[in-house]
Formats: sequence, structure tokens, C-alpha cells
Amino acid sequence: DTGVSQDPRHKITKRGQNVTFRCDPISEHNRLYWYRQTLGQGPEFLTYFQNEAQLEKSRLLSDRFSAERPKGSFSTLEIQRTEQGDSAMYLCASSVSQGANTEAFFGQGTRLTVV
Amino acid sequence: AQSVTQLGSHVSVSEGALVLLRCNYSSSVPPYLFWYVQYPNQGLQLLLKYTTGATLVKGINGFEAEFKKSETSFHLTKPSAHMSDAAEYFCASYNFNKFYFGSGTKLNVKP
Repeated sequence: DTGVSQDPRHKITKRGQNVTFRCDPISEHNRLYWYRQTLGQGPEFLTYFQNEAQLEKSRLLSDRFSAERPKGSFSTLEIQRTEQGDSAMYLCASSVSQGANTEAFFGQGTRLTVV
Repeated sequence: AQSVTQLGSHVSVSEGALVLLRCNYSSSVPPYLFWYVQYPNQGLQLLLKYTTGATLVKGINGFEAEFKKSETSFHLTKPSAHMSDAAEYFCASYNFNKFYFGSGTKLNVKP
């Protein structure tokens, strides 16, 4: 298993364009998380899935953001009508929900720059 | 509300000196606690975690942390800093199915 992979690693887009990021979790992990990280800050929770079900979305998440995890495998995060404030590192993590075995494995992130 | 506070956004130590990075959590229920390290333009790598059992936990690269419930703390230490330890470190808690992160501490190691 190669761990959590994210694609693309970097994305530069013009304001107003739509972007989509992909995350492939560790195959046996049932939970998948999306976080956003801006410069000098810790990762901020956006949303998470258990299998294919999206169980929680942050109240900070605007309706321009949508995430899916069809068939409970890979996930996509789409941002519509991007704004400069969306510029950040978008991190995906996967985990198993097994009590003391719980831990998040992170991908290398997608860095979004909105110009 | 769950939160994690890291005291000191920047810490500088000399190579070979003790590393101490501070983390306090607030939670009505003792959470699981983690320390992650992040190198520039990379994701987060797990250093160590506390879930249950022994309160002193050892991680990779010589790091360890002690869970102190009475102080709601989970400070990260390493007896002797190495140049390769220079990175950003994040304390995190897991509660109610989510991971909550502190704002991070950048560790600088001087030769």
C-alpha cells in the first residue's frame, strides 16, 4: 500500500473557475477526511466520510464546496467559483475507526493558488 | 467545544539541546492525542499518539510525550535535537469522530 495519495499536488486557477481535487485513501480505511490549511495555521476540518456517507460538514464550509466519495473508495472535493480566499493547502486523510487504533494518515496535499 | 492550544508558534534550540513543545487540550471527555510533524509542502506524518494505557508514549525519531490529565497537557520532548528535526509540529486531539489541530510550532535547530 502506498498510503494516501492526492492529485494534483499543485493547482493554479483564475478566480471564478471551478476546481476538483482527488484523494485516494488507504484501501482498507473506512473514514476519509478533508482538511484545509492556510499559512501559519493548523489543518482546519472541512468534512468527513464513513464509507460513502458524508457524515459531517464544517459550518465554515461555504456551499461552493462539495465533496463526494462514490462507492466508499476515492473522494473528490470540488470548489465552484473560486475566490482568492480559497488559496490554501487541501489535505486528505484516511483512518480506521477502531478505538485505540484510530489515527489519521495524511496525503501530501494539494496546494491551490487562486489568482 | 474541543480545542488544542500550542504555546509558542516558534521554538529555537541548539543542536544537542532538549526539545520541549507544549500542547494543552480542552475537552469534556479525555480525547485521543497525537503529535504530527510537517516538512515544507508535505502532508503530516504521525510522530506518536496516546489513546489509552501508559501515559508516557514513545514515538519515532526519539520523540516522546506524556499525557497529564490533571494538567490537560500532552507536551512533546526529545532529549537531544538534531538538525533534521527542524520542521513544524502539530498537536491534535481526536474526539467525536474528528481530529482537531493546534496552530503548530515551528522548530528551528541551530548548529
